[in-house]
Amino acid sequence: ILNVEQSPQSLHVQEGDSTNFTCSFPSSNFYALHWYRWETAKSPEALFVMTLNGDEKKKGRISATLNTKEGYSYLYIKGSQPEDSATYLCAPPYNNNDMRFGAGTRLTVKP
Amino acid sequence: DVKVTQSSRYLVKRTGEKVFLECVQDMDHENMFWYRQDPGLGLRLIYFSYDVKMKEKGDIPEGYSVSREKKERFSLILESASTNQTSMYLCASRHTGFRNQPQHFGDGTRLSIL
Repeated sequence: ILNVEQSPQSLHVQEGDSTNFTCSFPSSNFYALHWYRWETAKSPEALFVMTLNGDEKKKGRISATLNTKEGYSYLYIKGSQPEDSATYLCAPPYNNNDMRFGAGTRLTVKP
Repeated sequence: DVKVTQSSRYLVKRTGEKVFLECVQDMDHENMFWYRQDPGLGLRLIYFSYDVKMKEKGDIPEGYSVSREKKERFSLILESASTNQTSMYLCASRHTGFRNQPQHFGDGTRLSIL
């Protein structure tokens, strides 16, 4: 079983704050790293899929970095908005078929 | 757009019943997955399938079985439903051609076992 840890478990920020959270995974046999956003009453949607050490991806105010040598990825949200409130999940599959997720970071952005 | 369709949004069944949850995807994806989501536990993998008639156990397969007779359909079966199987169930599919392919999720089935 791949040990995936996400921290913090939950986060409350004010509108306009910037925030970041971490996904840690075993660095051996790295294959890819997925980030998903899961809003209440909706299904999870893919944010980023990262495959190379040093990868940086950006989508609007959200960006992610990847360090495969030390086994972590950071997700950043700049100027958080209430609509960013969601659970953010990461999944580092170790082959082409499997997909197991961390427990997620639950973000609440207060207006 | 990829469409992953789960047969029911809400389902109520009784203890001991055999329960079928159906999932269909329309993009010819090789991989399909069943997860359950419980508060504080994130998404836990029950079973996945990487091809027709192929299946692999995930982290919590006990009390469940699966069937994949056709590429587009992946069924989760609760052989004898119990109250601890009350949960949100999510199906997902994924193309395996490249490492950067994301998963696509259905809307979920909220199952209550009474």
